[in-house]
Amino acid sequence: GNSVTQMEGPVTLSEEAFLTINCTYTATGYPSLFWYVQYPGEGLQLLLKATKADDKGSNKGFEATYRKETTSFHLEKGSVQVSDSAVYFCALSLYNNNDMRFGAGTRLTVKP
Amino acid sequence: EAGVVQSPRYKIIEKKQPVAFWCNPISGHNTLYWYRQNLGQGPELLIRYENEEAVDDSQLPKDRFSAERLKGVDSTLKIQPAELGDSAVYLCASSLAEGPSYNEQFFGPGTRLTVL
Repeated sequence: GNSVTQMEGPVTLSEEAFLTINCTYTATGYPSLFWYVQYPGEGLQLLLKATKADDKGSNKGFEATYRKETTSFHLEKGSVQVSDSAVYFCALSLYNNNDMRFGAGTRLTVKP
Repeated sequence: EAGVVQSPRYKIIEKKQPVAFWCNPISGHNTLYWYRQNLGQGPELLIRYENEEAVDDSQLPKDRFSAERLKGVDSTLKIQPAELGDSAVYLCASSLAEGPSYNEQFFGPGTRLTVL
């Protein structure tokens, strides 16, 4: 079936450190890939997305590249800030958004 | 632009009691979703509406859960009777049915349900 696997947390980094959160997917067909972020007490917010192979989604200093050959969509940021502390979810959807599957989430804590 | 609105934000009830959650999607969004998010997990779809029609309710436990979207705008999700295992955050999301952002879902803040 269609599913997303992302690295388990929690992840704790110091401010200005480099961030990578791994995400791999299994899908029948050609999915769109997403990263959502959830701040404490809030709903999920779309961080970035990519709809086809080799697309790079980017937003707020975060980047992820759609790698079809490795079925991956790893999230990266060159220099994290305390305000980036949140839970990050990788997700995929097929066709007309009728089947969004989320990973379990990775909690990131950034310390000053 | 106002986001997805949900109420209440928190609800504590005893088991076997009924509970209802309300969602108002972003204006103009035809598609509305209800998700359940258990602690430490990602959201899981319960039901999806296209306008007022429920087009995917395969994951909705129909013995105790029901939902409606009258007039294709606001939606209500109900649980009757609630069980201990229903404790979770219930998220509502909406999206456009077409256009360049059609596959982007916008989420509300959720309702955190605690069943005692």
